Amino acid sequence: SQTIHQWPATLVQPVGSPLSLECTVEGTSNPNLYWYRQAAGRGLQLLFYSVGIGQISSEVPQNLSASRPQDRQFILSSKKLLLSDSGFYLCAWSVLAQGATSGELFFGEGSRLTVL
Amino acid sequence: GNSVTQMEGPVTLSEEAFLTINCTYTATGYPSLFWYVQYPGEGLQLLLKATKADDKGSNKGFEATYRKETTSFHLEKGSVQVSDSAVYFCALFWRGAQKLVFGQGTRLTINP
Repeated sequence: SQTIHQWPATLVQPVGSPLSLECTVEGTSNPNLYWYRQAAGRGLQLLFYSVGIGQISSEVPQNLSASRPQDRQFILSSKKLLLSDSGFYLCAWSVLAQGATSGELFFGEGSRLTVL
Repeated sequence: GNSVTQMEGPVTLSEEAFLTINCTYTATGYPSLFWYVQYPGEGLQLLLKATKADDKGSNKGFEATYRKETTSFHLEKGSVQVSDSAVYFCALFWRGAQKLVFGQGTRLTINP
């Protein structure tokens, strides 16, 4: 069966410090991968998605970046965190069938980031 | 661009009440539509989906019908339970770009 792991689960970082959140998927190959942020009162915002290794689409201009160094690994990074980066970050994957996905996403447990 | 607008919450109901959470969308082409649910302390999970106009998705007593003429996908349940308390997200899947766009979420609280 497929599983998705996200870490760390909780992170408290000072303003200006770097960030690295990791997400890995097991039990599937060539998934689509997604990073979402859930900020208080603002719902779920799509940040990045990837349809393959090294292929990253950015949805919102900001000081975050994403990378996909391996097929089932998706990393969210920042060189210098801002207060506004605080939130709940969710990684998700979707299965591909015949080169496309149905849109059904499977989510990780999330990483709660607090920037002070 | 493609977007989803959900009924603003929070919504508070008594047990066994009828539930409707409104969702409308703006999209080019023919997207797939979804409802996801986030129970307290848990991650998001798929509740139901519809892939084309007039399809009805259903699960756990919840239903939603894909209405192309009104660009809507309202979530309904005839008799809610305390265990239905959660945050509900309407979402639109844009096949061309392979991405899922969510509404802002509606927090539902059911009182016994």
